[in-house]
Amino acid sequence: DAGVIQSPRHEVTEMGQEVTLRCKPISGHNSLFWYRQTMMRGLELLIYFNNNVPIDDSGMPEDRFSAKMPNASFSTLKIQPSEPRDSAVYFCASSSGTSDTQYFGPGTRLTVL
Amino acid sequence: SQQGEEDPQALSIQEGENATMNCSYKTSINNLQWYRQNSGRGLVHLILIRSNEREKHSGRLRVTLDTSKKSSSLLITASRAADTASYFCATDGSNYKLTFGKGTLLTVNP
Repeated sequence: DAGVIQSPRHEVTEMGQEVTLRCKPISGHNSLFWYRQTMMRGLELLIYFNNNVPIDDSGMPEDRFSAKMPNASFSTLKIQPSEPRDSAVYFCASSSGTSDTQYFGPGTRLTVL
Repeated sequence: SQQGEEDPQALSIQEGENATMNCSYKTSINNLQWYRQNSGRGLVHLILIRSNEREKHSGRLRVTLDTSKKSSSLLITASRAADTASYFCATDGSNYKLTFGKGTLLTVNP
């Protein structure tokens, strides 16, 4: 199994631009999670999906952030417009169930200038 | 809200020594998990312990859980330089989603 796949691995953009992060979960997993990690705030859960349906998006910082899961094998996290404070590493993870072992992708390092 | 909190924040030991990290949490849990993160990489699951278990082993790892004290410990025996990483505990609360602590940075010096 290829594990959780994220793209791009690195993204450098300018303030105000739209950023789209992509994730392919492990086949057969029905829960998908988006996290953000910074030195200051640690690992924060942004949103999670169960069977492609968003269950809890209370961690999404503001309306500039949106996430979709159009099918069981693909999810996106979009930031529009991006701001420098959005600079962080964004991780996608998947699991067989909401509180089961989570398998993390390699992350996308986002830098907003 | 922060559920699990690791202690200490950083730990530096010599190769061959044992490393102990602790995790405290606030609310009732179904299970508690430990993860490792190498610099620049994603988190990797190490071990899961259920609320009705008190101790679990996996290779050089030993995890204990004390639900009365709402705490867990991760012991790595005979540490190696390759064990250098950040270690996180994660707990599931009443909403069943995992909440991660801020981690313990372990440095094992050769």
